[in-house]
Amino acid sequence: SQQGEEDPQALSIQEGENATMNCSYKTSINNLQWYRQNSGRGLVHLILIRSNEREKHSGRLRVTLDTSKKSSSLLITASRAADTASYFCVPNQAGTALIFGKGTTLSVSS
Amino acid sequence: DTGVSQNPRHKITKRGQNVTFRCDPISEHNRLYWYRQTLGQGPEFLTYFQNEAQLEKSRLLSDRFSAERPKGSFSTLEIQRTEQGDSAMYLCASSLAQGASNTEAFFGQGTRLTVV
Repeated sequence: SQQGEEDPQALSIQEGENATMNCSYKTSINNLQWYRQNSGRGLVHLILIRSNEREKHSGRLRVTLDTSKKSSSLLITASRAADTASYFCVPNQAGTALIFGKGTTLSVSS
Repeated sequence: DTGVSQNPRHKITKRGQNVTFRCDPISEHNRLYWYRQTLGQGPEFLTYFQNEAQLEKSRLLSDRFSAERPKGSFSTLEIQRTEQGDSAMYLCASSLAQGASNTEAFFGQGTRLTVV
């Protein structure tokens, strides 16, 4: 099992701005998942991108995956105060557990 | 289906006592995970099951920690002889593994343990 390393550790932006978080990992994966955790809704799955995919969208979220660089990014467009949360990337190999890193803490102020 | 359910939501215990937490996963999910989380940290993986088989338990924090999933449905996490350092949020998650691959995991609201 491996964990992702999110960067930056903390990010502060204004409402309406875009937020970009990056993730690096060490060994080959089957898929990579992004999760969000805030005090109100607990830990929630956002998006899963498979190793043969390069980009995926879900609403205001855009995830990219570069398996040659072993990295992923999560872009949140037009941020809202409700996006304030910690974001975790979870690189996943077949037959292994889901391991979480320290995450990126995003603060969106109005 | 109401999602992943954890009980109790809060537990206060005296140091040295044993505690047991229960997790009821989403009914068709074959994988079940346990994590511990302290303030400002990400969820720390403890153990996981595929059906009733415990696939990894090397990351359980000490031999005071044990987990079971006897019929491949609900699971329990027991901590014996609790210590103040065990105070944390204990999270359970479930997922439907397709072959060996993990799909999205759904988390419960957690059990907050306070050891006094």
